[in-house]
Amino acid sequence: AQTVTQSQPEMSVQEAETVTLSCTYDTSENNYYLFWYKQPPSRQMILVIRQEAYKQQNATENRFSVNFQKAAKSFSLKISDSQLGDTAMYFCAFMILNYGGSQGNLIFGKGTKLSVKP
Amino acid sequence: DGGITQSPKYLFRKEGQNVTLSCEQNLNHDAMYWYRQDPGQGLRLIYYSQIVNDFQKGDIAEGYSVSREKKESFPLTVTSAQKNPTAFYLCASSPLGYYQPQHFGDGTRLSIL
Repeated sequence: AQTVTQSQPEMSVQEAETVTLSCTYDTSENNYYLFWYKQPPSRQMILVIRQEAYKQQNATENRFSVNFQKAAKSFSLKISDSQLGDTAMYFCAFMILNYGGSQGNLIFGKGTKLSVKP
Repeated sequence: DGGITQSPKYLFRKEGQNVTLSCEQNLNHDAMYWYRQDPGQGLRLIYYSQIVNDFQKGDIAEGYSVSREKKESFPLTVTSAQKNPTAFYLCASSPLGYYQPQHFGDGTRLSIL
């Protein structure tokens, strides 16, 4: 069975500093996608960044970047220059590709609650 | 603006009552999904649909039912068989294809009276 593990239930960081959120996953599949979603207090799920498993280059989106280690099945999220608006729950998720290339379902970790302190 | 609309934002259910959560999207997405979120948990898939008049069970479908009569709409009914329905429910949609991100609504909070 595919699983996603986020080992840090809560983290905090000072404004303008850098923080890294950990995520490991378990799958026997070779083709899949990895995601980080953000859920602020408003509860809406917002896509932060995504990574295709076949790409070796780590994805970046402005202040957000990932460290993807396929052999170790690790997918950590680094937030640089943290801002107060980054305070949220962060969920790691992955999706396998079904036979024929159609997308499968998203499997989520339990989340990390990040607090950015002024 | 295109998006996903969930209603109501808050819903209360009496014991033995069925309630229906609405999800409408105007993004022209083929696939729609329902997730349940409990405190300290990630999202768990209840049902999903990739085409009108067809849907599949997710990991926790017991006590829930869905319909997909229109592409834009994917209502979720929480039946009296669902013994622990108090949770936050999120609807999502996506295009079909090799990879397409899921877009989420704002959610419905269901509580038991």
